[in-house]
Amino acid sequence: DSGVTQTPKHLITATGQRVTLRCSPRSGDLSVYWYQQSLDQGLQFLIHYYNGEERAKGNILERFSAQQFPDLHSELNLSSLELGDSALYFCASSVEASGGGTQYFGPGTRLLVL
Amino acid sequence: DQQVKQNSPSLSVQEGRISILNCDYTNSMFDYFLWYKKYPAEGPTFLISISSIKDKNEDGRFTVFLNKSAKHLSLHIVPSQPGDSAVYFCAASALSGNKLVFGAGTILRVKS
Repeated sequence: DSGVTQTPKHLITATGQRVTLRCSPRSGDLSVYWYQQSLDQGLQFLIHYYNGEERAKGNILERFSAQQFPDLHSELNLSSLELGDSALYFCASSVEASGGGTQYFGPGTRLLVL
Repeated sequence: DQQVKQNSPSLSVQEGRISILNCDYTNSMFDYFLWYKKYPAEGPTFLISISSIKDKNEDGRFTVFLNKSAKHLSLHIVPSQPGDSAVYFCAASALSGNKLVFGAGTILRVKS
């Protein structure tokens, strides 16, 4: 158990809908990262927040947005969903402000868009 | 642009033997490297890391070797156990950078 929690574990929705994925980092970690893993793909970095502020953006679509709240939990909002958004979404956390150190991953949310 | 490559999609090893997983990178700014293990329906689990000031790091059955001139790292698992069967991801970053870059993963199967 990494100490990172994610809810929900599974999500099934329809095209055009909007969903919110939630992540709570390990105790003491100020950084939260979001990754997407599509079928047969590696982990693609989406976005990094540190102590409530956006630090870095990766391959995140404009239809997606994230935020980190004062209690350090983070939410990833996916809107106008398309079939291709079906994937595993992982959250990770770390102590470092930069994204370069060891990150600890949550169990993921499996999103299926029908 | 694949900055981190794991060229073997899969590897099959007999229980008790050595498993060697390989990873190549292209970005000379990378100075921190990690290996993660992932079981189905779970998140990646951190295994071992190495910074560019070292060429070897050991933790129990797991050893990571770094060859900076060749931009290559490898993970050795000795002895391999059936419970090691999983997907292994190599990742790299610049410690002052803003993200980890992951390879596509190698599926390891350890046969008993």
